[in-house]
Amino acid sequence: GAVVSQHPSRVICKSGTSVKIECRSLDFQATTMFWYRQFPKKSLMLMATSNEGSKATYEQGVEKDKFLINHASLTLSTLTVTSAHPEDSSFYICSASPHGQGNYGYTFGSGTRLTVV
Amino acid sequence: AQKVTQAQTEISVVEKEDVTLDCVYETRDTTYYLFWYKQPPSGELVFLIRRNSFDEQNEISGRYSWNFQKSTSSFNFTITASQVVDSAVYFCALSEAEYGNKLVFGAGTILRVKS
Repeated sequence: GAVVSQHPSRVICKSGTSVKIECRSLDFQATTMFWYRQFPKKSLMLMATSNEGSKATYEQGVEKDKFLINHASLTLSTLTVTSAHPEDSSFYICSASPHGQGNYGYTFGSGTRLTVV
Repeated sequence: AQKVTQAQTEISVVEKEDVTLDCVYETRDTTYYLFWYKQPPSGELVFLIRRNSFDEQNEISGRYSWNFQKSTSSFNFTITASQVVDSAVYFCALSEAEYGNKLVFGAGTILRVKS
């Protein structure tokens, strides 16, 4: 149980285009999901907290207009990188924990490797 | 503010050696949760363990063991009789419940196990 599916796993896009990444909880409901970014050989940094039915909470320094987050249902959160540039190239990974279970178990998606050319 | 420090950037061992990965954390909360994750080259994060701040018992799971010491704010991870398949990046992470359950990660330790 507690599976998080992330799609796509890899994407290459041209500079100036937008890319949408999906994060789905397959067998549980998630009122909250988290989006992290990881640069090569670096740690994971929280970008934003995605809240079902309300606006996402962004970490300091993260451009909300650049990284649009939508959490329209209890099983789906999407991250859209708008007007992507080469510096947006990174590994993006989402996580969620089963509804109502707080810290008991964080499951991560398999990640999306974004390359902007 | 929460902080997790993994001072060891990279460790190389020969197969069958034991290896300990260090993790030191900082938090003002009395209730918190500590995690270890494994990230193989494919990139996904594999959950290894969660420990809450009220449970200082050490844990053993097969070749893996964890030593939680609140007095030194450490949560170290030992792999006994390491194997090549253990090669990966290992992350220690901290979560404070009152902040919406986000995880604060350490910088990670690259473990290379050579045959």
